[in-house]
Amino acid sequence: EPEVTQTPSHQVTQMGQEVILRCVPISNHLYFYWYRQILGQKVEFLVSFYNNEISEKSEIFDDQFSVERPDGSNFTLKIRSTKLEDSAMYFCASSEYLAREYFGPGTRLTVT
Amino acid sequence: KNQVEQSPQSLIILEGKNCTLQCNYTVSPFSNLRWYKQDTGRGPVSLTIMTFSENTKSNGRYTATLDADTKQSSLHITASQLSDSASYICVVSPWGRGGSYIPTFGRGTSLIVHP
Repeated sequence: EPEVTQTPSHQVTQMGQEVILRCVPISNHLYFYWYRQILGQKVEFLVSFYNNEISEKSEIFDDQFSVERPDGSNFTLKIRSTKLEDSAMYFCASSEYLAREYFGPGTRLTVT
Repeated sequence: KNQVEQSPQSLIILEGKNCTLQCNYTVSPFSNLRWYKQDTGRGPVSLTIMTFSENTKSNGRYTATLDADTKQSSLHITASQLSDSASYICVVSPWGRGGSYIPTFGRGTSLIVHP
């Protein structure tokens, strides 16, 4: 079965630093997503991306966040000036149009 | 405000038994409802996707039902296995003019299957 991959699996950073979380979506998928899950809480939608632009973003996805597809295979989430409350598991997902979303294994971000 | 409520919060059953998980939602207008299985520390895995016109969808031992009139869905697991122990998450997406899509996730039902 095809897989979405994410790196790193665990990122520890100091408050105020910038982090970049990386994802390699499934190769023929055109829709890409980032979600986060704070420990013990439900999954929350951050952003969806299609045709090299953001198609939807939630209230959580403010100016601190940005996404980019720097080349034909990677999809990144940048978090500027991290805060303690940004500590969470971040999931990348990809899909074809209105089809099953495939989630990656996640990156656990710890802000100290 | 769009909401998805799942019940029960947790469930313990014996291996081989069946169980049914519930999902109630207030998301409107409705586009689709998805059930996911999430193992601890892993990403969610899609089980079923249902649109407005579908009222049942099966995936192996998993069968989801949808009543769009009452805004309720259920996930039935048949002949449970130890590997079914996980969190089961209901996700509902709206359909907005212009294609707006921001899914609302439920908190999940934690299922534990004991031998």
